Amino acid sequence: DQQVKQNSPSLSVQEGRISILNCDYTNSMFDYFLWYKKYPAEGPTFLISISSIKDKNEDGRFTVFLNKSAKHLSLHIVPSQPGDSAVYFCAVPYGGATNKLIFGTGTLLAVQP
Amino acid sequence: ETGVTQSPTHLIKTRGQQVTLRCSSQSGHNTVSWYQQALGQGPQFIFQYYREEENGRGNFPPRFSGLQFPNYSSELNVNALELDDSALYLCASSATTGRNEKLFFGSGTQLSVL
Repeated sequence: DQQVKQNSPSLSVQEGRISILNCDYTNSMFDYFLWYKKYPAEGPTFLISISSIKDKNEDGRFTVFLNKSAKHLSLHIVPSQPGDSAVYFCAVPYGGATNKLIFGTGTLLAVQP
Repeated sequence: ETGVTQSPTHLIKTRGQQVTLRCSSQSGHNTVSWYQQALGQGPQFIFQYYREEENGRGNFPPRFSGLQFPNYSSELNVNALELDDSALYLCASSATTGRNEKLFFGSGTQLSVL
């Protein structure tokens, strides 16, 4: 049973445009959400997080939005750059600890120059 | 500061064999977690070690076992390998087991079971 779902396996956008990556979750008790980015032949790296007490968190070009009623979060990248091309995973803590995570299946973002 | 390192980077084994994967945690980190990433999937939590004790386990059978050493490095052992064990195995370290700790991942070991 997939508790964290990323229904778009891939996304292609033009450089300079906005990239929107989506994630849905099933358990309304989840109260903290993270995004990780993974380049080929490298491990995932932490990108941005959001607590359920907020509906938006921003860090430079990256913004995460949380819609608790819809159990949905999205990652916006503006403007998109070719170096953003990677697999993006959303994740939730497993048992409340943010160093034990349940990951979604990932979305491969390709930013075209 | 040394990051998380894993060895080997690639490994080919035969069904039924046993394998040991190794991980050195980032300097100053006492917690190590292991994840399995099958093709097209996200990483799945196998287990975590904190100060040499297992501190949580995901939905993996007992033939997946681990160790953490006094220097906080870790091993993942898999016995009786099955074809479905073919995956990227990721090790991640963190400073504690606390609520706001972030994971720092190694580049992984790609295991192929034939």
